[in-house]
Amino acid sequence: AQKVTQAQTEISVVEKEDVTLDCVYETRDTTYYLFWYKQPPSGELVFLIRRNSFDEQNEISGRYSWNFQKSTSSFNFTITASQVVDSAVYFCALSESYNTDKLIFGTGTRLQVFP
Amino acid sequence: ETGVTQSPTHLIKTRGQQVTLRCSSQSGHNTVSWYQQALGQGPQFIFQYYREEENGRGNFPPRFSGLQFPNYSSELNVNALELDDSALYLCASSFGAPTATNEKLFFGSGTQLSVL
Repeated sequence: AQKVTQAQTEISVVEKEDVTLDCVYETRDTTYYLFWYKQPPSGELVFLIRRNSFDEQNEISGRYSWNFQKSTSSFNFTITASQVVDSAVYFCALSESYNTDKLIFGTGTRLQVFP
Repeated sequence: ETGVTQSPTHLIKTRGQQVTLRCSSQSGHNTVSWYQQALGQGPQFIFQYYREEENGRGNFPPRFSGLQFPNYSSELNVNALELDDSALYLCASSFGAPTATNEKLFFGSGTQLSVL
Protein backbone atom coordinates (compact mmCIF):
# COMPACT_ATOMS: atom_id res chain seq x y z
CA ALA A 1 0.00 0.00 0.00
CA GLN A 2 1.09 3.53 -0.61
CA LYS A 3 1.57 5.89 2.27
CA VAL A 4 3.07 9.30 3.00
CA THR A 5 4.20 10.26 6.48
CA GLN A 6 4.88 13.78 7.65
CA ALA A 7 5.90 13.34 11.25
CA GLN A 8 6.15 17.05 12.02
CA THR A 9 2.69 18.34 12.83
CA GLU A 10 3.68 21.93 13.43
CA ILE A 11 6.89 23.94 13.21
CA SER A 12 7.43 27.48 14.44
CA VAL A 13 10.42 29.56 13.41
CA VAL A 14 11.48 33.16 13.47
CA GLU A 15 11.86 35.00 10.21
CA LYS A 16 15.16 34.37 8.38
CA GLU A 17 15.67 30.98 9.96
CA ASP A 18 16.08 27.95 7.71
CA VAL A 19 13.51 25.19 8.13
CA THR A 20 13.28 21.65 6.80
CA LEU A 21 10.02 19.77 6.39
CA ASP A 22 10.34 16.00 6.42
CA CYS A 23 8.50 13.54 4.22
CA VAL A 24 8.80 9.76 4.19
CA TYR A 25 6.89 7.64 1.71
CA GLU A 26 6.05 3.99 1.12
CA THR A 27 5.28 2.39 -2.21
CA ARG A 28 5.87 -0.89 -3.99
CA ASP A 29 5.94 0.77 -7.39
CA THR A 30 9.23 1.25 -9.14
CA THR A 31 7.92 4.27 -10.99
CA TYR A 32 6.13 6.94 -9.03
CA TYR A 33 5.96 10.68 -8.53
CA LEU A 34 6.45 12.83 -5.46
CA PHE A 35 5.00 16.28 -4.92
CA TRP A 36 4.98 19.15 -2.49
CA TYR A 37 1.97 21.44 -2.20
CA LYS A 38 1.42 24.53 -0.07
CA GLN A 39 -1.97 25.33 1.44
CA PRO A 40 -2.33 28.93 2.63
CA PRO A 41 -5.28 29.96 4.82
CA SER A 42 -7.37 30.62 1.70
CA GLY A 43 -7.58 26.86 1.20
CA GLU A 44 -6.38 26.17 -2.32
CA LEU A 45 -3.42 23.87 -2.74
CA VAL A 46 -0.53 25.48 -4.56
CA PHE A 47 1.83 23.23 -6.49
CA LEU A 48 5.50 23.59 -5.57
CA ILE A 49 7.36 20.71 -7.17
CA ARG A 50 7.06 17.30 -8.82
CA ARG A 51 9.83 14.74 -8.91
CA ASN A 52 9.76 11.31 -10.56
CA SER A 53 11.32 8.26 -8.99
CA PHE A 54 14.16 8.10 -11.49
CA ASP A 55 15.36 11.60 -10.84
CA GLU A 56 17.21 11.82 -7.56
CA GLN A 57 18.89 15.07 -8.41
CA ASN A 58 18.27 17.65 -5.74
CA GLU A 59 16.61 20.84 -6.83
CA ILE A 60 16.84 24.43 -5.77
CA SER A 61 14.33 27.10 -6.70
CA GLY A 62 15.00 30.43 -5.09
CA ARG A 63 14.70 29.97 -1.34
CA TYR A 64 13.24 26.47 -1.77
CA SER A 65 15.22 23.27 -2.11
CA TRP A 66 14.30 19.60 -2.16
CA ASN A 67 16.33 16.55 -1.17
CA PHE A 68 15.12 13.26 -2.65
CA GLN A 69 16.73 10.08 -1.34
CA LYS A 70 15.35 6.76 -2.58
CA SER A 71 17.57 4.83 -0.19
CA THR A 72 15.66 6.26 2.77
CA SER A 73 12.36 6.86 0.93
CA SER A 74 12.47 10.51 1.85
CA PHE A 75 11.68 13.71 -0.01
CA ASN A 76 12.48 16.61 2.29
CA PHE A 77 11.80 20.26 1.65
CA THR A 78 13.92 23.13 2.94
CA ILE A 79 13.03 26.80 3.04
CA THR A 80 16.05 29.04 3.40
CA ALA A 81 15.71 32.42 5.13
CA SER A 82 12.05 31.89 5.92
CA GLN A 83 9.58 34.74 5.60
CA VAL A 84 6.22 35.41 7.22
CA VAL A 85 4.53 34.75 3.86
CA ASP A 86 5.82 31.17 4.02
CA SER A 87 3.37 30.48 6.84
CA ALA A 88 1.03 27.76 5.58
CA VAL A 89 0.38 24.04 5.74
CA TYR A 90 2.71 22.05 3.52
CA PHE A 91 1.74 18.69 2.10
CA CYS A 92 3.91 16.00 0.64
CA ALA A 93 2.14 13.68 -1.80
CA LEU A 94 2.76 10.53 -3.83
CA SER A 95 1.18 9.28 -7.03
CA GLU A 96 1.45 6.18 -9.16
CA SER A 97 2.99 6.59 -12.57
CA TYR A 98 -0.17 5.92 -14.55
CA ASN A 99 -2.32 8.62 -12.93
CA THR A 100 -0.54 11.59 -11.49
CA ASP A 101 -3.82 13.32 -10.67
CA LYS A 102 -4.59 10.70 -8.03
CA LEU A 103 -2.50 11.86 -5.11
CA ILE A 104 -1.92 10.29 -1.74
CA PHE A 105 -1.23 13.08 0.71
CA GLY A 106 0.51 13.13 4.03
CA THR A 107 -1.18 14.80 6.98
CA GLY A 108 0.69 18.03 6.42
CA THR A 109 3.06 20.19 8.42
CA ARG A 110 1.85 23.56 9.62
CA LEU A 111 4.66 26.11 9.38
CA GLN A 112 4.40 29.34 11.32
CA VAL A 113 6.99 32.00 10.65
CA PHE A 114 7.05 34.79 13.18
CA PRO A 115 8.49 38.25 12.50
CA GLU B 1 -4.87 32.21 -9.48
CA THR B 2 -5.50 28.61 -10.48
CA GLY B 3 -8.51 29.19 -12.71
CA VAL B 4 -10.55 26.66 -10.76
CA THR B 5 -13.65 28.06 -9.06
CA GLN B 6 -15.76 26.24 -6.52
CA SER B 7 -19.19 27.12 -5.16
CA PRO B 8 -20.48 27.62 -2.63
CA THR B 9 -17.56 28.46 -0.36
CA HIS B 10 -19.41 27.39 2.76
CA LEU B 11 -22.44 25.20 3.29
CA ILE B 12 -24.34 23.94 6.32
CA LYS B 13 -26.56 20.88 6.05
CA THR B 14 -28.23 18.50 8.45
CA ARG B 15 -27.70 14.79 8.69
CA GLY B 16 -29.62 12.82 6.05
CA GLN B 17 -29.82 15.67 3.56
CA GLN B 18 -28.31 15.72 0.09
CA VAL B 19 -25.78 18.26 -1.18
CA THR B 20 -24.35 19.30 -4.55
CA LEU B 21 -20.99 21.04 -4.79
CA ARG B 22 -19.88 22.71 -7.99
CA CYS B 23 -16.58 23.28 -9.71
CA SER B 24 -15.65 25.27 -12.79
CA SER B 25 -12.29 24.52 -14.43
CA GLN B 26 -10.19 26.20 -17.07
CA SER B 27 -10.98 25.57 -20.70
CA GLY B 28 -9.11 22.49 -21.87
CA HIS B 29 -8.97 20.85 -18.44
CA ASN B 30 -10.41 17.48 -19.40
CA THR B 31 -9.62 15.75 -16.13
CA VAL B 32 -11.18 16.70 -12.83
CA SER B 33 -10.59 15.08 -9.46
CA TRP B 34 -12.37 15.62 -6.16
CA TYR B 35 -10.76 15.41 -2.76
CA GLN B 36 -12.12 15.44 0.79
CA GLN B 37 -10.00 17.12 3.45
CA ALA B 38 -11.08 16.56 7.03
CA LEU B 39 -9.88 19.02 9.66
CA GLY B 40 -6.18 18.57 10.37
CA GLN B 41 -5.76 15.92 7.69
CA GLY B 42 -4.41 15.74 4.18
CA PRO B 43 -6.81 15.61 1.23
CA GLN B 44 -8.20 12.20 0.33
CA PHE B 45 -9.00 11.23 -3.25
CA ILE B 46 -12.73 10.70 -3.82
CA PHE B 47 -12.92 10.13 -7.57
CA GLN B 48 -11.84 11.40 -10.92
CA TYR B 49 -13.65 12.18 -14.16
CA TYR B 50 -12.22 12.32 -17.65
CA ARG B 51 -14.37 13.45 -20.54
CA GLU B 52 -17.55 12.94 -18.53
CA GLU B 53 -16.75 9.38 -17.47
CA GLU B 54 -15.65 8.25 -14.02
CA ASN B 55 -12.02 7.21 -14.17
CA GLY B 56 -11.07 5.89 -10.79
CA ARG B 57 -12.47 6.08 -7.31
CA GLY B 58 -11.04 6.19 -3.84
CA ASN B 59 -12.38 4.49 -0.74
CA PHE B 60 -15.70 6.34 -0.63
CA PRO B 61 -19.21 4.84 -0.60
CA PRO B 62 -21.61 5.07 -3.57
CA ARG B 63 -23.54 7.90 -1.94
CA PHE B 64 -20.67 10.07 -3.19
CA SER B 65 -21.25 10.59 -6.89
CA GLY B 66 -20.18 13.03 -9.54
CA LEU B 67 -20.83 14.51 -12.92
CA GLN B 68 -18.61 16.24 -15.43
CA PHE B 69 -20.00 18.45 -18.18
CA PRO B 70 -18.63 19.40 -21.63
CA ASN B 71 -18.18 23.03 -20.53
CA TYR B 72 -15.43 22.05 -18.04
CA SER B 73 -17.71 22.24 -15.04
CA SER B 74 -18.37 19.39 -12.66
CA GLU B 75 -20.39 18.44 -9.61
CA LEU B 76 -19.92 16.37 -6.50
CA ASN B 77 -23.13 14.99 -5.01
CA VAL B 78 -23.39 13.47 -1.58
CA ASN B 79 -26.58 11.73 -0.49
CA ALA B 80 -27.69 10.83 3.02
CA LEU B 81 -25.20 13.14 4.68
CA GLU B 82 -23.44 11.93 7.79
CA LEU B 83 -21.69 13.95 10.48
CA ASP B 84 -18.32 12.61 9.30
CA ASP B 85 -18.90 14.16 5.88
CA SER B 86 -18.05 17.53 7.42
CA ALA B 87 -14.90 18.58 5.60
CA LEU B 88 -13.34 20.83 2.99
CA TYR B 89 -14.07 19.48 -0.48
CA LEU B 90 -11.49 20.35 -3.08
CA CYS B 91 -11.81 20.19 -6.82
CA ALA B 92 -8.67 19.81 -8.91
CA SER B 93 -8.29 19.83 -12.66
CA SER B 94 -5.57 19.29 -15.23
CA PHE B 95 -4.93 19.37 -18.95
CA GLY B 96 -4.98 16.18 -20.90
CA ALA B 97 -5.79 12.63 -19.97
CA PRO B 98 -5.17 11.20 -16.51
CA THR B 99 -2.42 9.02 -17.89
CA ALA B 100 -0.57 11.93 -19.36
CA THR B 101 1.50 12.37 -16.20
CA ASN B 102 0.41 15.95 -15.91
CA GLU B 103 2.89 18.28 -14.35
CA LYS B 104 0.53 19.57 -11.73
CA LEU B 105 -3.03 19.84 -10.58
CA PHE B 106 -4.86 23.12 -10.34
CA PHE B 107 -6.87 23.23 -7.14
CA GLY B 108 -9.85 25.35 -6.23
CA SER B 109 -10.20 26.95 -2.80
CA GLY B 110 -12.77 24.37 -1.78
CA THR B 111 -16.22 24.18 -0.30
CA GLN B 112 -16.38 23.91 3.49
CA LEU B 113 -19.27 21.59 4.29
CA SER B 114 -20.62 21.34 7.82
CA VAL B 115 -23.11 18.61 8.64
CA LEU B 116 -25.09 19.14 11.83
